[in-house]
Amino acid sequence: RKEVEQDPGPFNVPEGATVAFNCTYSNSASQSFFWYRQDCRKEPKLLMSVYSSGNEDGRFTAQLNRASQYISLLIRDSKLSDSATYLCVVRRSGYSTLTFGKGTMLLVSP
Amino acid sequence: EAGVTQFPSHSVIEKGQTVTLRCDPISGHDNLYWYRRVMGKEIKFLLHFVKESKQDESGMPNNRFLAERTGGTYSTLKVQPAELEDSGVYFCASSQEVGSSYEQYFGPGTRLTVT
Repeated sequence: RKEVEQDPGPFNVPEGATVAFNCTYSNSASQSFFWYRQDCRKEPKLLMSVYSSGNEDGRFTAQLNRASQYISLLIRDSKLSDSATYLCVVRRSGYSTLTFGKGTMLLVSP
Repeated sequence: EAGVTQFPSHSVIEKGQTVTLRCDPISGHDNLYWYRRVMGKEIKFLLHFVKESKQDESGMPNNRFLAERTGGTYSTLKVQPAELEDSGVYFCASSQEVGSSYEQYFGPGTRLTVT
């Protein structure tokens, strides 16, 4: 079983739509959680960290459910520029290295 | 402030040849990481330097891969001899400190193709 699992998509949505991505992780020792964004043939860039209480950054909301080992990302009012691959990333307690999911591709159309 | 830079951006070599990838981290970042994405797979950790010391090299696939970080500045990753399965995108990342509150900044990657 992969340590971080994501639905690969693609998710095709129209501009203005709300879309949600889910991610599950298998290692209960995971301590820190992130969503990274990766544009085609570019490097991953941190979108937001995910906190236990849930957190919001503009149109983006991230939530964590430690009991279910589940992370989510909600994007409201999708923009064309949101088209990218969204990577679910975890870091285990005691380690500084990151473990990535394969990513979920989002395509926002006009 | 300059970001993480990597050289070359692309490399095409034949099986059995040697390739050396270079990473220049953000100035002042003691932590340097190498990751790799093989086609169709997720990005995977290779190794972690703290200054010039290897902190964790548990992700290195085999002894054909050699990473160095001379003087705690730039890092090189050498593959010798290269095999077909080494093809992929090699990312370098750096961070100022270790921990969840310190973002890892990624370089643009080196796309390696072994034919």
